[in-house]
Amino acid sequence: DTAVSQTPKYLVTQMGNDKSIKCEQNLGHDTMYWYKQDSKKFLKIMFSYNNKELIINETVPNRFSPKSPDKAHLNLHINSLELGDSAVYFCASSPGTPSAGEQYFGPGTRLTVT
Amino acid sequence: GESVGLHLPTLSVQEGDNSIINCAYSNSASDYFIWYKQESGKGPQFIIDIRSNMDKRQGQRVTVLLNKTVKHLSLQIAATQPGDSAVYFCAERGVGDYKLSFGAGTTVTVRA
Repeated sequence: DTAVSQTPKYLVTQMGNDKSIKCEQNLGHDTMYWYKQDSKKFLKIMFSYNNKELIINETVPNRFSPKSPDKAHLNLHINSLELGDSAVYFCASSPGTPSAGEQYFGPGTRLTVT
Repeated sequence: GESVGLHLPTLSVQEGDNSIINCAYSNSASDYFIWYKQESGKGPQFIIDIRSNMDKRQGQRVTVLLNKTVKHLSLQIAATQPGDSAVYFCAERGVGDYKLSFGAGTTVTVRA
């Protein structure tokens, strides 16, 4: 069973559209994250939820809105897509406390905005 | 701002040799460090981690060294294999933080 799964794996869309990426983890973790990886492979945290509560909200355009319906799911909705949003988006999860260990990453969603 | 960086963006290694990947960090308050491996088309995969109360930790074919005096982290891979070809990231986390701050990554290519 996949620990952290994301859908879709690839997403090609036009500028101005609205799209969502879904993430689910079956590890029983309390904390989930969204990262953006640019073309130079740099990984940057966007958001994090702990037990459905937003705990990290980095400087991200408000066109990006995370939603956590329960602690096993963290979805990312993007409004009015722009060319610069093209990247690979990774979901991750970790046990609940800050002193816990590693984050487990999903396989990524490659978003291409044309 | 604080950041985690890597000394070299690429590393070419002969199969069977040992690899050393270096990482410099700037946040002296960080207490947790971790190495990830990312293969092409996949998400980052945990390799090994170390807390600030240690200076060395060993795993299977991998060793992480932490030098807090000079804020330096390294990953050593013994007997490098073709399957070790990937991008390697170091990351750090501050005390009480949830957030991991990642470095830019080192691309390791193993030559047959």
